[in-house]
Amino acid sequence: ETGVTQTPRHLVMGMTNKKSLKCEQHLGHNAMYWYKQSAKKPLELMFVYSLEERVENNSVPSRFSPECPNSSHLFLHLHTLQPEDSALYLCASSRTVRGLAGLNEQFFGPGTRLTVL
Amino acid sequence: GESVGLHLPTLSVQEGDNSIINCAYSNSASDYFIWYKQESGKGPQFIIDFRSNMDKRQGQRVTVLLNKTVKHLSLQIAATQPGDSAVYFCAENYGGSQGNLIFGKGTKLSVKP
Repeated sequence: ETGVTQTPRHLVMGMTNKKSLKCEQHLGHNAMYWYKQSAKKPLELMFVYSLEERVENNSVPSRFSPECPNSSHLFLHLHTLQPEDSALYLCASSRTVRGLAGLNEQFFGPGTRLTVL
Repeated sequence: GESVGLHLPTLSVQEGDNSIINCAYSNSASDYFIWYKQESGKGPQFIIDFRSNMDKRQGQRVTVLLNKTVKHLSLQIAATQPGDSAVYFCAENYGGSQGNLIFGKGTKLSVKP
């Protein structure tokens, strides 16, 4: 257990559905992240939140909408997704986003396996 | 451009042998590296971190070596065990990225009994 939980673990949705992914961290960290992991590709950073404020949005399509109500919870709202959005979505947290070596080790959740039909 | 890549997509070793997983990075300003292990059905798990002011770092059965001249990082696993079978990612970080990690594609390590 890494202290980061994600629900649901598996999700199948149609292109017209609206769903949300949830992430919760129990580590007292200030930063949270959403990543997309597709087959044969490196982990792709989607969003970064620091103290509930979005600090980075890596050109992610608007059909993905993050929400960070507090420093322990992170959501990813999904609507009108495409089949190519099928992937493993990973949440991570770290003590800080600052580039100080040793302080931004990221702890990952188990991921949500998303299939878009 | 900035990228982290792994030389070998797959590596198969015999149980008890040593494994070496390699990583190349292109950003010479990267000053912090992390090796992650990802088992099937799980998220990446921290193995060991490494700072660019080191030449070598050792953990439990693992050793990280850095060659800054060729921008090459390696993870050596001693006495590889079946439980080491997983995908291994190298990730790099430099201060200009607000602490964000850039990940490589990963190397799949298979341990034969």
